[in-house]
Amino acid sequence: EDKVVQSPLSLVVHEGDTVTLNCSYEVTNFRSLLWYKQEKKAPTFLFMLTSSGIEKKSGRLSSILDKKELFSILNITATQTGDSAVYLCAGDGGATNKLIFGTGTLLAVQP
Amino acid sequence: DARVTQTPRHKVTEMGQEVTMRCQPILGHNTVFWYRQTMMQGLELLAYFRNRAPLDDSGMPKDRFSAEMPDATLATLKIQPSEPRDSAVYFCASGLRLEVYQETQYFGPGTRLLVL
Repeated sequence: EDKVVQSPLSLVVHEGDTVTLNCSYEVTNFRSLLWYKQEKKAPTFLFMLTSSGIEKKSGRLSSILDKKELFSILNITATQTGDSAVYLCAGDGGATNKLIFGTGTLLAVQP
Repeated sequence: DARVTQTPRHKVTEMGQEVTMRCQPILGHNTVFWYRQTMMQGLELLAYFRNRAPLDDSGMPKDRFSAEMPDATLATLKIQPSEPRDSAVYFCASGLRLEVYQETQYFGPGTRLLVL
């Protein structure tokens, strides 16, 4: 059965800290892995990763995929209170083009 | 600034009533997805369409839920009859399916449904 597992479930840090969020996946016919940020509204797209070992960066956020070990990490450096959100990862699988979501990591950044 | 629109944004109804949610995908996108999000289950895929054809609705309770795409600019999700356990936020997302890799999906703002 396809599944995506995220860890930790929740995390509390202080502004300025660096955090690493983990996502492991078992998705048949895997094509890509996506990261989303969800605050109080709809998810917003962060990254789509298709190739192993190639880091994608956007400001203080970066992410990398390991297709051999079937996991991805999302790094946030110099965290700010505005980074507080649920971070979702999703595996994109094969012919049915489904996104299988993890349960998310709740990140709280304290001032 | 293209975006997915959903109506209504909020809906409160009584058990047994019919609920219809609408979604306008981004112009030019060829895939439309319906998701449901609850605290208990997280984000679940209910159904999706490609080029207006339903491809997968295995995540949807078929006895009461139906999803249609009458034209390229409108997708609907209907619940009849509604039950309290249907209370959730329903998201529509649209995307552009490429030959090899799916582009990202763009989510609408969601319809917050409360069934009393």
